[in-house]
Amino acid sequence: GAGVSQSPRYKVAKRGQDVALRCDPISGHVSLFWYQQALGQGPEFLTYFQNEAQLDKSGLPSDRFFAERPEGSVSTLKIQRTQQEDSAVYLCASSPDVPAGAITSTDTQYFGPGTRLTVL
Amino acid sequence: EDQVTQSPEALRLQEGESSSLNCSYTVSGLRGLFWYRQDPGKGPEFLFTLYSAGEEKEKERLKATLTKKESFLHITAPKPEDSATYLCAFSSSGGGADGLTFGKGTHLIIQP
Repeated sequence: GAGVSQSPRYKVAKRGQDVALRCDPISGHVSLFWYQQALGQGPEFLTYFQNEAQLDKSGLPSDRFFAERPEGSVSTLKIQRTQQEDSAVYLCASSPDVPAGAITSTDTQYFGPGTRLTVL
Repeated sequence: EDQVTQSPEALRLQEGESSSLNCSYTVSGLRGLFWYRQDPGKGPEFLFTLYSAGEEKEKERLKATLTKKESFLHITAPKPEDSATYLCAFSSSGGGADGLTFGKGTHLIIQP
């Protein structure tokens, strides 16, 4: 079946512009995660949704970052007034079950290809 | 503080030369230990999940093992197509963030 898709794949923004990055998770997956990956680093957690509820946004670096998942499927990560330090790859991942609670084999996260954001 | 350290940062092997990648972790409550493969310009591709010390999983030339402090990814007789960055991550039950905590990865190059 189809995996996680993200769009656009590449985005160039001028400093101060607002950007919106889209994630289409695997159909039926309850959990959705956003990560930021700087060059040469591992992904860093930004925020987590369980269906339409944003349960954890502890990783969002500033109040310029905002994420939503209004109908519990597609998610959008919005960055306002972009800065050069926002340049990174933004990864979306989905998981079939709620990760909190009992350990199951289905809390594995499946990643999309990412959106590479370059802020000039 | 929960953290993951991967070593070496980079590894160059000849085709057929077996080796192991290390992932040392510190976490208040381990829910799962994950290995991913990431090719340039792509998102991480899931390889394995390990849940308890002593657990092992295999897939083709790869085998992942887990102890209470570290995990190893053993690569047997690698081929050039195994060249990639291998990422280790964990999920925690310790009340921290709900996402995965990743290491920086090991960049593996297999020379023909």
